[in-house]
Amino acid sequence: QLQLQESGPGLVKPSETLSLTCTVSGGSISTSDHYWGWVRQPPGKGLEWIGTIGTLTYSGNTFYKPSLKSRVTISLDTSNNQFSLKLTSVTAADTAVYYCTKEVESTTHHWGQGTLVTVSS
Amino acid sequence: QSALTQPRSVSGSPGQSVTISCTGTGSDVGAYKYVSWYQQHPDKAPKLIIYDVNKRPSGVPGRFSGSKSGNTASLTISGLQAEDEADYYCCSHAGTYVVFGGGTKLTVL
Repeated sequence: QLQLQESGPGLVKPSETLSLTCTVSGGSISTSDHYWGWVRQPPGKGLEWIGTIGTLTYSGNTFYKPSLKSRVTISLDTSNNQFSLKLTSVTAADTAVYYCTKEVESTTHHWGQGTLVTVSS
Repeated sequence: QSALTQPRSVSGSPGQSVTISCTGTGSDVGAYKYVSWYQQHPDKAPKLIIYDVNKRPSGVPGRFSGSKSGNTASLTISGLQAEDEADYYCCSHAGTYVVFGGGTKLTVL
C-alpha cells in the first residue's frame, strides 16, 4: 500500500527557506504517469494547493499556484524515492500543516499524514 | 486563482440528506471534469471521497454522490450518519493549477 511521509524542520525563522521532504514507500515514484505535490493548511483554515511535479511521461513538468510561484520549487529524487518542497522568504503566513500528495489528473488520491511548520523567530 | 465558494456550514439529522455546493467559474469547475471532494476529520489528513465529478473511490459508501451543473459542483450525502460530521472541501483543475474550496463544516445534529 502506498504511503507518503513528510519530514523536515518544524520551526523556520522569518525570511529563511522552508525545506520539506516526502518519502514514498510501497511504490516507486518514477514508474507511473503521476504527479507528486504539496498542499498546506494553516491552523484552523482551509486547504491550499501549492504545486506538483510530474514523473515518467510528465517527467520534470512542474506546476505551481500562481501566487506562490516566485517562492516555490518542487523537485524529485528518484534514487531515494523522494520529492521535496522549498519555499523561500517565509513569513508567519506560511505557518501551516504541509501535506505531501500523489495526484492523478488533478485528483489527490494519496496524502501524507502532514507536518506542522511554524514560522517564528 | 480565487478559492472556490462553499457554504461555511451545513447541518442535518441522522438519516437525512444534505447537499454542499461548490461554485467556481468557467475557468475551473465549469471547464473541466476534474472536480473532486475531500472529507477531513479533526487532526486528520483529508480523504478523497469523490473524483471526476461523480466517481467514488473503492471503499467510499454509496451514500456519497457528486454532480455538476455549469460552474457549480455539488456533494450530496444521503442517510446521514454521525461519523459523517467533518469538514468537506471541493477541488477543481484550473488549467495550470488546482484550486480548493474554502471548506464546509458538516454538523450531524
